[in-house]
Amino acid sequence: DTGVSQDPRHKITKRGQNVTFRCDPISEHNRLYWYRQTLGQGPEFLTYFQNEAQLEKSRLLSDRFSAERPKGSFSTLEIQRTEQGDSAMYLCASSPVAVYGYTFGSGTRLTVV
Amino acid sequence: GIQVEQSPPDLILQEGANSTLRCNFSDSVNNLQWFHQNPWGQLINLFYIPSGTKQNGRLSATTVATERYSLLYISSSQTTDSGVYFCAVSSNDYKLSFGAGTTVTVRA
Repeated sequence: DTGVSQDPRHKITKRGQNVTFRCDPISEHNRLYWYRQTLGQGPEFLTYFQNEAQLEKSRLLSDRFSAERPKGSFSTLEIQRTEQGDSAMYLCASSPVAVYGYTFGSGTRLTVV
Repeated sequence: GIQVEQSPPDLILQEGANSTLRCNFSDSVNNLQWFHQNPWGQLINLFYIPSGTKQNGRLSATTVATERYSLLYISSSQTTDSGVYFCAVSSNDYKLSFGAGTTVTVRA
C-alpha cells in the first residue's frame, strides 16, 4: 500500500482553462475527501464521498467545481473556467468509515496565471 | 462551523529546546487530531486525541474536552521537527475543521 496518491503534483494553467486532478485513495478506505489549502491557512473542507456517493459539498465548491468518484475507487476534481482565486493546494484524503483514520496525499498545487 | 484557534502562530526554537503548542476550539467535538505538514506539503497525522493524554516518542498531546483546548508538547526538538503543526476538530464523523497552524522552525 503506497498511501494516497495525487496527480499531478503541480499544475500551472491560464485563467479560463479547465483543469482536472486525480486522487487514488488507500484501497481499503471507502471514504474520500477533498480539501483546499491557501497560503498561510489550514486546509478547508470541499467535499467527501462514501464509496461512489458524494454526501456533502461545501459552499466553497462553486458551480465551476465538480468532483466524481466512479465505482468508489479513484476520484477526480475538475475546475472549469479557472480564476486566479483558485490558486491553492488541493489535498485529497481517505479514511475507513471513521474519520480518525484520515490519511492525506501530498496534494496538487494549482497556479492560475 | 467550529472555530479553531492555534497559538502561537510562529515559534523559533534552538535544537534541544522544549515547546508547547495550543489549540482552542469553540464548540464540543468528538474528534481532535494533530497534524504535521512538512516543507513539501505532506500532512502527517500525529495524534487522534479527542480527550486525555497520549505520547509518541518526543511528542505528547493532552486534550481537555470540557474546557475546549488541546496542547501539543515537543521535547528535545530536532531540525526535522520544523514545519507547520495543525490542530483539526470535528463534531460529526466526516469533516475536519483546521486551525491556521503554528509554524515551527528549529535551528541547529
